[in-house]
Amino acid sequence: GQNIDQPTEMTATEGAIVQINCTYQTSGFNGLFWYQQHAGEAPTFLSYNVLDGLEEKGRFSSFLSRSKGYSYLLLKELQMKDSASYLCAVRDSVANQGGKLIFGQGTELSVKP
Amino acid sequence: KAGVTQTPRYLIKTRGQQVTLSCSPISGHRSVSWYQQTPGQGLQFLFEYFSETQRNKGNFPGRFSGRQFSNSRSEMNVSTLELGDSALYLCASSLRGNTEAFFGQGTRLTVV
Repeated sequence: GQNIDQPTEMTATEGAIVQINCTYQTSGFNGLFWYQQHAGEAPTFLSYNVLDGLEEKGRFSSFLSRSKGYSYLLLKELQMKDSASYLCAVRDSVANQGGKLIFGQGTELSVKP
Repeated sequence: KAGVTQTPRYLIKTRGQQVTLSCSPISGHRSVSWYQQTPGQGLQFLFEYFSETQRNKGNFPGRFSGRQFSNSRSEMNVSTLELGDSALYLCASSLRGNTEAFFGQGTRLTVV
């Protein structure tokens, strides 16, 4: 079956580092996405990993291990505005055939002062 | 560069009615995907259009349909609305469907 697991909630302190994990089992794989979604708003693109390894983009980094079906999103120097839901999604398709994104339920991150 | 534009932003409809939602992708993007987001089910894939053809389809009833025009703009239609169709409907734009995908602001549909 298709399954994407991520923790439901996490709490962290302003200025700290937090790692949000995501494990997946899908019939196909053509990339893993992380999105940030504030309450009542649309998801905002954060990162896209298609090859194994770490992708760094400012305060955000994302890691992928395809053999383990595992990814994480690392947020550094946390700010209050980082309080949001973080969605892990897998593109379930073969290359060049487009495909659908399968989403996890999201991790609600609360950043405390 | 303009982002993904969805209209309308909010909609209230009555059970049994039909509704059409619109999505204009990022200029140059040819793939448009539609998703339904509800508190209980999260984000679920409806369908994807590429070059005016439906390329992928999710597990939704036939009341949900869509189409894409030659300028890549896409519409989604829901007929015979049910209370359970109340949700945030999001479209995502991608260059070819196998690259980064960016979401529009969504249309919040309320069925009463």
